[in-house]
Amino acid sequence: EPEVTQTPSHQVTQMGQEVILRCVPISNHLYFYWYRQILGQKVEFLVSFYNNEISEKSEIFDDQFSVERPDGSNFTLKIRSTKLEDSAMYFCASRFGRPSTDTQYFGPGTRLTVL
Amino acid sequence: KQEVTQIPAALSVPEGENLVLNCSFTDSAIYNLQWFRQDPGKGLTSLLLIQSSQREQTSGRLNASLDKSSGRSTLYIAASQPGDSATYLCAPLETSGSRLTFGEGTQLTVNP
Repeated sequence: EPEVTQTPSHQVTQMGQEVILRCVPISNHLYFYWYRQILGQKVEFLVSFYNNEISEKSEIFDDQFSVERPDGSNFTLKIRSTKLEDSAMYFCASRFGRPSTDTQYFGPGTRLTVL
Repeated sequence: KQEVTQIPAALSVPEGENLVLNCSFTDSAIYNLQWFRQDPGKGLTSLLLIQSSQREQTSGRLNASLDKSSGRSTLYIAASQPGDSATYLCAPLETSGSRLTFGEGTQLTVNP
């Protein structure tokens, strides 16, 4: 069964460094998302991406964050200058089409630790 | 802003029991609602999607209901098993079509 994959599974970085989290969505899906979950807290929406542009972003997704679909298969989240509070599990998700009927499928997550 | 509440926060039951997990949300303008399962330190596994026009959706031992006008959904698990132990999350999809808003979840433990 097709699935969303994410790499790396765990990333440790120093405060102020740039990180890129990578995702391979399900191959025929058209809509892509990033969410995050700080330890012990709710899963929070960051951004949605469709047709090579951001369709919606949350208040969390500030200028330090960016997303890109550099080729036909990868979807990346870049954090330009990491802060301690960016430490979280980051989930990528994808959806085939219609929002009313189609499921968002989530990847296994990347645990980001900022020291 | 959508707010999602799940009750109870935690539940411990003996194997074989039928159980009900509750979810309430404040904004009834939703496209659908998804129920997920999350195992410790793992990703989210989609269990059921119930469209805003539907009242119920079933998958195996799971049954989800939705009352959009009152902002409520329930997940019914029949004949619970130890393998059902996980955190269960509900997430309505806003009418922007993008944003799932998650509750804190119900942490379920099924004891053999």
